[in-house]
Amino acid sequence: GDSVTQKQGQVTLSEDDFLFINCTYSTTTYPTLFWYVQYPGQGPQLLLKVTTANNKGISRGFEATYDKGTTSFHLQKASVQESDSAVYFCALVDGSGTYQRFGTGTKLQVVP
Amino acid sequence: EAAVTQSPRNKVTVTGGNVTLSCRQTNSHNYMYWYRQDTGHGLRLIHYSYGAGNLQIGDVPDGYKATRTTQEDFFLLLELASPSQTSLYFCASSRGGEQYFGPGTRLTVL
Repeated sequence: GDSVTQKQGQVTLSEDDFLFINCTYSTTTYPTLFWYVQYPGQGPQLLLKVTTANNKGISRGFEATYDKGTTSFHLQKASVQESDSAVYFCALVDGSGTYQRFGTGTKLQVVP
Repeated sequence: EAAVTQSPRNKVTVTGGNVTLSCRQTNSHNYMYWYRQDTGHGLRLIHYSYGAGNLQIGDVPDGYKATRTTQEDFFLLLELASPSQTSLYFCASSRGGEQYFGPGTRLTVL
């Protein structure tokens, strides 16, 4: 079945560092992929969507891309701030389009 | 702006207890979902629904029932709660794949 794997459990960066988070996926259909961000005490909220049509999504300084060759997709930001500290989830829409499979999350801590 | 609310926000019960978690969405989405979030497991789908009276089984349904009474309201029922069901529960609604989450309910089963 469809699945996503998020191996980076925790990432610690300093302000203005470059962020790169990776997910790998497995699906038999054309993938539609999402990145969600969860701040402490809140529910996840949509950050970016990437499809085979657009190959890239950009929002709030974050950029999401996917690589069909390696079946992976990435979230990156050129310069992180302390306010970016949160948990980031990748998610893959299943083949029927009715639900999403979430990765285990990457906790980003940005220190001043 | 899509709005999903959950109640209660915190709940403590004992093993064998009966618990109902409530979710309401006011954005006319057809799909609604219940997830549990646990450290090391991310978000795992329990049940979901595409309309009033409909129920679909997710990836971790054992020990949970759910009911969708209206387009707005989706309930998660734990009829014999166990300590393994201690978790953070999220409800979400969806349109076009993008999901909108509620603030969560923290459930502790003693």
